[in-house]
Amino acid sequence: EVQLVESGGVVVQPGGSLRLSCAASGFTFDDYTMHWVRQAPGKGLEWVSLISWDGGSTYYADSVKGRFTISRDNSKNSLYLQMNSLRTEDTALYYCAKEASGYYLNYWGQGTLVTVSS
Amino acid sequence: EIVMTQSPATLSVSPGERATLSCRASQSVSSNLAWYQQKPGQAPRLLIYGASTRATGIPARFSGSGSGTEFTLTISSLQSEDFAVYYCQQYNNWPRPFGGGTKVEIK
Repeated sequence: EVQLVESGGVVVQPGGSLRLSCAASGFTFDDYTMHWVRQAPGKGLEWVSLISWDGGSTYYADSVKGRFTISRDNSKNSLYLQMNSLRTEDTALYYCAKEASGYYLNYWGQGTLVTVSS
Repeated sequence: EIVMTQSPATLSVSPGERATLSCRASQSVSSNLAWYQQKPGQAPRLLIYGASTRATGIPARFSGSGSGTEFTLTISSLQSEDFAVYYCQQYNNWPRPFGGGTKVEIK
């Protein structure tokens, strides 16, 4: 059974930093591209970033480019999101998601909540 | 950058009725479009990929159609468990935006 478990969400002040983690199990982690998607309270889904199976390719939404860094450790079956220069508008539930071979997202975690507030 | 637009924002439907949701891309995404369902307090769930292929375990009452810039998700006979928010997402180009969502509520 595929499982994705996010962690690391906390309350942080504007301008602060945070690293989110996603622990993956139930599939061969290093075969798949992984994504982060976020959802602000009461709002829709916003795609944030992706990383290829080997970490060689990364992409970001314009809203986080230059502030967030996605990475992975295939030896630990883990995905990460380093978030710097946080803004109040980064407040959201952050989901980790697995990409299928056909590029859509076929499994999602339950999310970890990041609150940026003074 | 591609913009995905969903309509309507809210759809009020009676149980047993048909629901038709629309998703429009600002430029062609071929058939590289997925639909997701999200219920309150839950993570999104994949319903449809490739514009028209149901994901594993998705009931046949859900169907997707379209290509290029115009897509439709149809729920043939709404069940109580289908009242939720539905999102489309294109995966033809970078970045990978979602539509704003359509909330299907009980009429």
